[in-house]
Amino acid sequence: QKEVEQNSGPLSVPEGAIASLNCTYSDRGSQSFFWYRQYSGKSPELIMFIYSNGDKEDGRFTAQLNKASQYVSLLIRDSQPSDSATYLCAMRNSGNTPLVFGKGTRLSVIA
Amino acid sequence: DGGITQSPKYLFRKEGQNVTLSCEQNLNHDAMYWYRQDPGQGLRLIYYSQIVNDFQKGDIAEGYSVSREKKESFPLTVTSAQKNPTAFYLCASSMGRLAGSRETQYFGPGTRLLVL
Repeated sequence: QKEVEQNSGPLSVPEGAIASLNCTYSDRGSQSFFWYRQYSGKSPELIMFIYSNGDKEDGRFTAQLNKASQYVSLLIRDSQPSDSATYLCAMRNSGNTPLVFGKGTRLSVIA
Repeated sequence: DGGITQSPKYLFRKEGQNVTLSCEQNLNHDAMYWYRQDPGQGLRLIYYSQIVNDFQKGDIAEGYSVSREKKESFPLTVTSAQKNPTAFYLCASSMGRLAGSRETQYFGPGTRLLVL
C-alpha cells in the first residue's frame, strides 16, 4: 500500500514569514512528486513538481526532495494571506499510474 | 477555452437513486481519473482510464461505475449501492501512457454530491 503522509495542520505563519510544508512517503520506487494547492470549496491546482534530489525553485516556492530519506517539502517564502489554503502532496512511482495523494496540510497566513 | 468541465456543480441524490456526474475534457488527453474527497481528507481514487474503452478500478470503486466511450468523456455513475455518497467528486486528466511518470494531472472544478 503506497502511503503519503502529511501533517494536517493547521500551520499558522505570520505574513512575510517562510512556510514549510512536509511530506513523507512509503514507496521507495516513487519517482515523481507534485504539490497542489486547494482553496476551500475549489479543486486542486498544480504548484510545482520535482523529480530529482535537491531543490527546485519557482518564484516564492521551493520544492525539496530527498529520496534517501523519503521526504519532499515545499517552502513558501514571503507568505501572503492569499497563500492560505490546503496543500496536497502527491507522488507517482511509474508510467502514468494515477497520483497518490496525502491528506493535505492546511496553511493559514496571518496578516 | 481548453480544460476540464464537470457538471453539475451541485447534485442531489434521493435514497435508492442512481446519479451520473459528467466530466469532459478538450485537452486531447488519453488518461482520465475520478477521485472522491471527504471533508478534511485527501483524494481517494475511484476509477481511472488510460485509453478509450478501457478502465480500471481504484481504491474505492464499490458502488460506482464508469464508461469511456469517447476520449473526451468519462462519466461517473454513483449507484444506489454506494451507501455514503456525500462528497466532493473531482475528475482529472493527463496526457497518458506515452508521457511517463513525470506527467501532470489536471483537475476539473468538481461536483458536490449531497444526499436528500
